Amino acid sequence: DAGVTQSPTHLIKTRGQQVTLRCSPISGHKSVSWYQQVLGQGPQFIFQYYEKEERGRGNFPDRFSARQFPNYSSELNVNALLLGDSALYLCASSLVGVTNEQFFGPGTRLTVL
Amino acid sequence: AQSVTQLDSQVPVFEEAPVELRCNYSSSVSVYLFWYVQYPNQGLQLLLKYLSGSTLVKGINGFEAEFNKSQTSFHLRKPSVHISDTAEYFCAATSSGSARQLTFGSGTQLTVLP
Repeated sequence: DAGVTQSPTHLIKTRGQQVTLRCSPISGHKSVSWYQQVLGQGPQFIFQYYEKEERGRGNFPDRFSARQFPNYSSELNVNALLLGDSALYLCASSLVGVTNEQFFGPGTRLTVL
Repeated sequence: AQSVTQLDSQVPVFEEAPVELRCNYSSSVSVYLFWYVQYPNQGLQLLLKYLSGSTLVKGINGFEAEFNKSQTSFHLRKPSVHISDTAEYFCAATSSGSARQLTFGSGTQLTVLP
């Protein structure tokens, strides 16, 4: 079975631009979460979506937004990019229930110049 | 809000020696604890998890962890490490009602030396 997939693998943008990152969960998983991992730090929670609705949001500015589609895939959008947005963006999918394991994708490496 | 502290940023250890990676969490009524491993240029892989029950949790690749409620700790151990265990290790926590938000520690780089 395919794991969580993310695209693109790498991305280079300049300050002020906008970016869209994509995530396809494991088949049967309806919950998708997004995390930002800055170099040298642990991942930080950005969003969780379940059944196309936002179920949780971390401490990130409104420049960050996301959505989930009927097939449970998800997009993360970041507007007005800043240098500090450079990071590895991880997507995780899971079954319903707080104790269910979250399966992580390989991430998208975003570099903002 | 939940917080997780990993006390060591880097742990060098010789091959076949035992290792302990330390993790402390902020107290919560119902806390669930996890250890993840991240190899270079890869995502996170779950090593083990504590949900309830036995305080000694066994995971993959010979790792185990002990949940200590009084000390709010969840240290990861392996009796004999291999070169292939070299990676970044993250402790994470969540609690019921937190919308599946994992709070991660800052990570511990384990380097196994020949």
